[in-house]
Amino acid sequence: AQTVTQSQPEMSVQEAETVTLSCTYDTSESDYYLFWYKQPPSRQMILVIRQEAYKQQNATENRFSVNFQKAAKSFSLKISDSQLGDAAMYFCASWYSGGGADGLTFGKGTHLIIQP
Amino acid sequence: GAVVSQHPSWVICKSGTSVKIECRSLDFQATTMFWYRQFPKQSLMLMATSNEGSKATYEQGVEKDKFLINHASLTLSTLTVTSAHPEDSSFYICSARDMASGYTGELFFGEGSRLTVL
Repeated sequence: AQTVTQSQPEMSVQEAETVTLSCTYDTSESDYYLFWYKQPPSRQMILVIRQEAYKQQNATENRFSVNFQKAAKSFSLKISDSQLGDAAMYFCASWYSGGGADGLTFGKGTHLIIQP
Repeated sequence: GAVVSQHPSWVICKSGTSVKIECRSLDFQATTMFWYRQFPKQSLMLMATSNEGSKATYEQGVEKDKFLINHASLTLSTLTVTSAHPEDSSFYICSARDMASGYTGELFFGEGSRLTVL
């Protein structure tokens, strides 16, 4: 079984500043994927970034980047130049690629507040 | 990109009635869809895995007779909340994986359905 832990229920950051959201996970598998999803007030789940466990290079998508520490089972999300539109719930999730028919395992989420 | 559409987005019903929520993959075929439930300010909880042409697989603690899932085609899964009661009020989200786009595990989500049982 996989578990995902987000220890920050809420984070606040000034507009244009940088913020890091924490996520740790636990799995016995060697081949897995990690995700950050964003859920704005509309509640539509949006993929922010994806990391394959076999890749050592940290994934980056524009202002969003991850710090993937495989040995420590840590997968934090860094948002640079925070914008008001970044305000949302952020969920960290994992998936074991051998379980092709399995859903994602989500953390409890972090509510990100952007202060203008 | 892959699009998943969910309908209705908001439904209010009386206690004891049944409600059906539809989930469609618009531009890809989904042999497997997933139904999640989300309580206010909480995370997504997987309810069941919907398999095209076969019975759904329910997570522990989810009543299969209460939450009926049908996956009759490669693009449509339905969730029926039977004999709904106020405690069934929640936000229900469906999702699917587009296997044709690569084995990446990414799920595409519907817009969600807010159920309120009076």
